[in-house]
Amino acid sequence: AQKVTQAQTEISVVEKEDVTLDCVYETRDTTYYLFWYKQPPSGELVFLIRRNSFDEQNEISGRYSWNFQKSTSSFNFTITASQVVDSAVYFCALGAGGSRLTFGEGTQLTVNP
Amino acid sequence: DGGITQSPKYLFRKEGQNVTLSCEQNLNHDAMYWYRQDPGQGLRLIYYSQIVNDFQKGDIAEGYSVSREKKESFPLTVTSAQKNPTAFYLCASRFGQGVFEKLFFGSGTQLSVL
Repeated sequence: AQKVTQAQTEISVVEKEDVTLDCVYETRDTTYYLFWYKQPPSGELVFLIRRNSFDEQNEISGRYSWNFQKSTSSFNFTITASQVVDSAVYFCALGAGGSRLTFGEGTQLTVNP
Repeated sequence: DGGITQSPKYLFRKEGQNVTLSCEQNLNHDAMYWYRQDPGQGLRLIYYSQIVNDFQKGDIAEGYSVSREKKESFPLTVTSAQKNPTAFYLCASRFGQGVFEKLFFGSGTQLSVL
């Protein structure tokens, strides 16, 4: 069975602070894919990143960075110098076996001016 | 512009009534999905379809029905058997069937019970 845990239900920061969203996953498959999606107040989930289980390189895209560690089954997401527009619900998801994704429960990030 | 269109944005259901949520995509995607989102519970899969005229139950299919008569369309009917239908419903699609393919989402339908 696949499982994704996002232990942080809500995070509130002040603009320009760095913030890290945690994601821990469970799977017995050796080949799997991890995703992060952003859900702004408009409701539509937007794809941010995909990582496969064979690629543990960290990735940086502008103010966003992702840290994938197989040893701890974690795929954490850091926003540097947060902005009010980063306020959203962020979902981590796991794809392993079959064609379904397993989503975490999401983390509501609020960035205050 | 290519994308997924969900309608209506807000929907109200009376007791004992069936309602249908529309989902249309012009991305030429093979696979389509319906998710239910409740506060604090993330996304749960209701039904999915990998090809026209075929669909499978997800984790919470009871009280819901779907059809896939056209590649572009995957409507979801919330039947009167669904006793707690109030939720945000998201439709998604992707090009292939593999789990490595990213999902594209619609903007959702908020269903409430009168």
